[in-house]
Amino acid sequence: DAKTTQPNSMESNEEEPVHLPCNHSTISGTDYIHWYRQLPSQGPEYVIHGLTSNVNNRMASLAIAEDRKSSTLILHRATLRDAAVYYCILRDATSGTYKYIFGTGTRLKVLA
Amino acid sequence: DTGVSQNPRHKITKRGQNVTFRCDPISEHNRLYWYRQTLGQGPEFLTYFQNEAQLEKSRLLSDRFSAERPKGSFSTLEIQRTEQGDSAMYLCASSPLRGRVFGEKLFFGSGTQLSVL
Repeated sequence: DAKTTQPNSMESNEEEPVHLPCNHSTISGTDYIHWYRQLPSQGPEYVIHGLTSNVNNRMASLAIAEDRKSSTLILHRATLRDAAVYYCILRDATSGTYKYIFGTGTRLKVLA
Repeated sequence: DTGVSQNPRHKITKRGQNVTFRCDPISEHNRLYWYRQTLGQGPEFLTYFQNEAQLEKSRLLSDRFSAERPKGSFSTLEIQRTEQGDSAMYLCASSPLRGRVFGEKLFFGSGTQLSVL
């Protein structure tokens, strides 16, 4: 399974946009890019996913590079509740399973 | 949608004892997954079920670990002869499977934190 690389930690001020990067240089054509986040003392929570085109939902936006070797999760206005560990994961769409390979993720700290 | 429920939330046991955790997935979710997470690391896949059939097990799942999903509803994960290295958060997740269309995401429970003394 292809791997992803993320910064260990990032900081943001409250109500400012946050751009969380992810590198996945060995991504294959059938890999979807999934993002989950994990709040303290909780299980991971789905945020967004995409294949080639940029995606938006109520939680965030996902910007995918044209060569698909990197992507960026965008939180448009960070709140204190967004402080969490964010995981970027590749999922092979042909596998039919959610046997995710999580990395160590990016710990986002939001400053009031 | 009441979410994925896991019990207990915390379990403290002595080395060598057996422990069992329970997971109740979201109703009608065919697929159920178990993951394990240690401090500072992302979750690691252990095993998954489609209905009552256990379809895949990770090499992380030693013979001291056994998981069941009788009748394709709730699942249990048992660890026999616990070791200190088993201390971790055990996470359960579920997803729907409708025909040949797979769900787009996993729904995780809040986990069971195991401490082996």
